[in-house]
Amino acid sequence: DTGVSQDPRHKITKRGQNVTFRCDPISEHNRLYWYRQTLGQGPEFLTYFQNEAQLEKSRLLSDRFSAERPKGSFSTLEIQRTEQGDSAMYLCASSLNVGTGNNYGYTFGSGTRLTVV
Amino acid sequence: GNSVTQMEGPVTLSEEAFLTINCTYTATGYPSLFWYVQYPGEGLQLLLKATKADDKGSNKGFEATYRKETTSFHLEKGSVQVSDSAVYFCALQGGSARQLTFGSGTQLTVLP
Repeated sequence: DTGVSQDPRHKITKRGQNVTFRCDPISEHNRLYWYRQTLGQGPEFLTYFQNEAQLEKSRLLSDRFSAERPKGSFSTLEIQRTEQGDSAMYLCASSLNVGTGNNYGYTFGSGTRLTVV
Repeated sequence: GNSVTQMEGPVTLSEEAFLTINCTYTATGYPSLFWYVQYPGEGLQLLLKATKADDKGSNKGFEATYRKETTSFHLEKGSVQVSDSAVYFCALQGGSARQLTFGSGTQLTVLP
């Protein structure tokens, strides 16, 4: 297993364009998370999936953002009509959770760095 | 809600110096506490964790003790190396939340 993979590593786009990022989690992991990290800050939670179900969304996730995880495997995060404020590192993480126990075993990907010009 | 306050950086130390990075938190209930490390160009890696009061997490010479009375989880290392240069994040997972809440990170630079 090669860990959590994110694609692309870097994306430069013009304001107003749509972008889509992909995350491939560790294959046996049932939970997948998206975070956003701006320069000099810690990651901020965006949303998470348990298998294919999107169970929670942060207020940071405006209606221009949409995430999917079809078939409970890879996930995509789409940003429509990008704005300069969307420039950030988008991190994906996955974990294996059984029951209602705490999540101890996050594995993060290397992130996709988005620059909106 | 949950929040994490982390010692502001950057921190610059000489090799073999003692390291402390302060972290305090606010959370309902009994959160789990974590330290993550991020090397340049890489994702976050779990450094250590503690899941209940008075637990000590340790890894690679780093230690942190879960102090409920002071709501703190300070990171320490007795003798830092150049290879420890990275950004360190304190984080918690509390209550029914499945996600992590992170501090703002502390940049550590260790000089030879």
